[in-house]
Amino acid sequence: NAGVMQNPRHLVRRRGQEARLRCSPMKGHSHVYWYRQLPEEGLKFMVYLQKENIIDESGMPKERFSAEFPKEGPSILRIQQVVRGDSAAYFCASSPPANSPRNSPLHFGNGTRLTVT
Amino acid sequence: EDQVTQSPEALRLQEGESSSLNCSYTVSGLRGLFWYRQDPGKGPEFLFTLYSAGEEKEKERLKATLTKKESFLHITAPKPEDSATYLCAVLPDSWGKFQFGAGTQVVVTP
Repeated sequence: NAGVMQNPRHLVRRRGQEARLRCSPMKGHSHVYWYRQLPEEGLKFMVYLQKENIIDESGMPKERFSAEFPKEGPSILRIQQVVRGDSAAYFCASSPPANSPRNSPLHFGNGTRLTVT
Repeated sequence: EDQVTQSPEALRLQEGESSSLNCSYTVSGLRGLFWYRQDPGKGPEFLFTLYSAGEEKEKERLKATLTKKESFLHITAPKPEDSATYLCAVLPDSWGKFQFGAGTQVVVTP
């Protein structure tokens, strides 16, 4: 399956712990997006990255949240010192390079559901 | 500020009862409008891309249309398997930040 792979599917953390969410984009895709979704709500943009570069992180909380997409390996969304309000589904999506002939859609993984106890 | 508004929030249909979902948008130039389907516990699944006013796309019982201010997703003679949340997203001219609406939850009963 060459789709977007996210792991883990479910993650339980106690308040104050760190959460690391991983995303491997589709083959040939060089751009990664992270979105957050609360129950009954839409997808809220968090960050947009390409390899070794953060293009836009305007949706990321200023503290405790960080994201990276290294030259090798998956993209990582890291949440330090988690709080109950961080409980949500976190989705990763990927797309081809921005200079593709037409503007390609995002392709999503099945998400990581984070529960903070 | 770019905005995407979907209506209704929820829609309950009898099998075979056709209906339409609306996605209104305000963006400073539109590079593309995208429709997705999302099932519970899954990520959004891509359905259609529309690029310019007047464009239409079809897939089985779904048909998407686009004007300068809104898009419609028409569901013709729906079946229970069409039950899902339907999301629309816009990609503005500025650069690649896709912005999503809150979705329409569709339930089709036999």
